[in-house]
Amino acid sequence: AQKVTQAQTEISVVEKEDVTLDCVYETRDTTYYLFWYKQPPSGELVFLIRRNSFDEQNEISGRYSWNFQKSTSSFNFTITASQVVDSAVYFCALSGINQFYFGTGTSLTVIP
Amino acid sequence: DVKVTQSSRYLVKRTGEKVFLECVQDMDHENMFWYRQDPGLGLRLIYFSYDVKMKEKGDIPEGYSVSREKKERFSLILESASTNQTSMYLCASSFWREGHYEQYFGPGTRLTVT
Repeated sequence: AQKVTQAQTEISVVEKEDVTLDCVYETRDTTYYLFWYKQPPSGELVFLIRRNSFDEQNEISGRYSWNFQKSTSSFNFTITASQVVDSAVYFCALSGINQFYFGTGTSLTVIP
Repeated sequence: DVKVTQSSRYLVKRTGEKVFLECVQDMDHENMFWYRQDPGLGLRLIYFSYDVKMKEKGDIPEGYSVSREKKERFSLILESASTNQTSMYLCASSFWREGHYEQYFGPGTRLTVT
């Protein structure tokens, strides 16, 4: 069965702190894709990153970085030097044949 | 830019009413989805469609139906709205690109059933 677990329901950090959002997944597929989405207060989910199962290289994009470890079935997301604009709900997702499987989301609040 | 639009951002309906939520995408995507989002439960798939007039049940189809008469439009129907259908509804479309599906979301409709 396909499953995505985001154990952290809510996180609060003070501005400029680093924060890591955890994502653990389950799948029997040998080829799969993992995603992170951001949902700001406006409601629309915004695509952040996609990773395929064959590429375990970490990725950095500005203040964002992602750590994909197949051995632990994890795809964690780190925000460095957090800002108030990072406050949002973040979803991790796994792509199946036709469907996407989402975690329950982590609500991040960055306190000024 | 991919554009997925939903007919309303906010909607208030009475119990027992028939409710239509409309979703339109302008990028000729094959697949379209309806999700429901509730606190602590994340996104749950209600229905999806991989072609015109085709539909598949997701994880929570009870109390909902869908219609896809044209490729760009995917409608979610609540035949008789109930208070436990108060939720945020998100529409998405996806296409196949370089060995995987990419999914894009609309802004969501926050439905309140009183």
